[in-house]
Amino acid sequence: AQSVTQLDSHVSVSEGTPVLLRCNYSSSYSPSLFWYVQHPNKGLQLLLKYTSAATLVKGINGFEAEFKKSETSFHLTKPSAHMSDAAEYFCVVTSNFGNEKLTFGTGTRLTIIP
Amino acid sequence: NAGVTQTPKFQVLKTGQSMTLQCAQDMNHNSMYWYRQDPGMGLRLIYYSASEGTTDKGEVPNGYNVSRLNKREFSLRLESAAPSQTSVYFCATGQYEQYFGPGTRLTVT
Repeated sequence: AQSVTQLDSHVSVSEGTPVLLRCNYSSSYSPSLFWYVQHPNKGLQLLLKYTSAATLVKGINGFEAEFKKSETSFHLTKPSAHMSDAAEYFCVVTSNFGNEKLTFGTGTRLTIIP
Repeated sequence: NAGVTQTPKFQVLKTGQSMTLQCAQDMNHNSMYWYRQDPGMGLRLIYYSASEGTTDKGEVPNGYNVSRLNKREFSLRLESAAPSQTSVYFCATGQYEQYFGPGTRLTVT
């Protein structure tokens, strides 16, 4: 069984300040973890992925995430927010064995304050 | 190279009407998926197809049917639409890393 919890449904930050979007996961097997971004009225785009290689993963647009097995967390960060980062972000888990269906978190809406 | 395409983009149905949502991919992936997205609930899997000729139920299959026409195409059918099926529907393809279409916004009145 697998699940993912996004700890904040809404995060607001000022432009130029750091972003932190929190995600905890549960998985019976060695997990693969993803962050997807969805801009308004658009499909989902992959930001970054962890698949059991380096625990610090760098993605597009300056985002990165760190896999912490001891804390079962995969938080998404960015040093300096940009107005174009305003979107909804989804943390996603799947297993490296068995079926490969994705389980999505409920999403975090990121608002950037000018 | 269009990736994943979906038609239509928008649709309004009356309760009891039927319709088919179309999805096509040119990424040569075996696996294809249909999700629905509702506010505050993330994406939930309706049906998936691991390869041409096979389909399986996901988390919320009731009220839907699917057809994997060939490797490229995977359609979702609502036989008798209900207001509870008002949602945004996404098709995706790939395995661990999935690629999503732009979505179909469906309203059932």
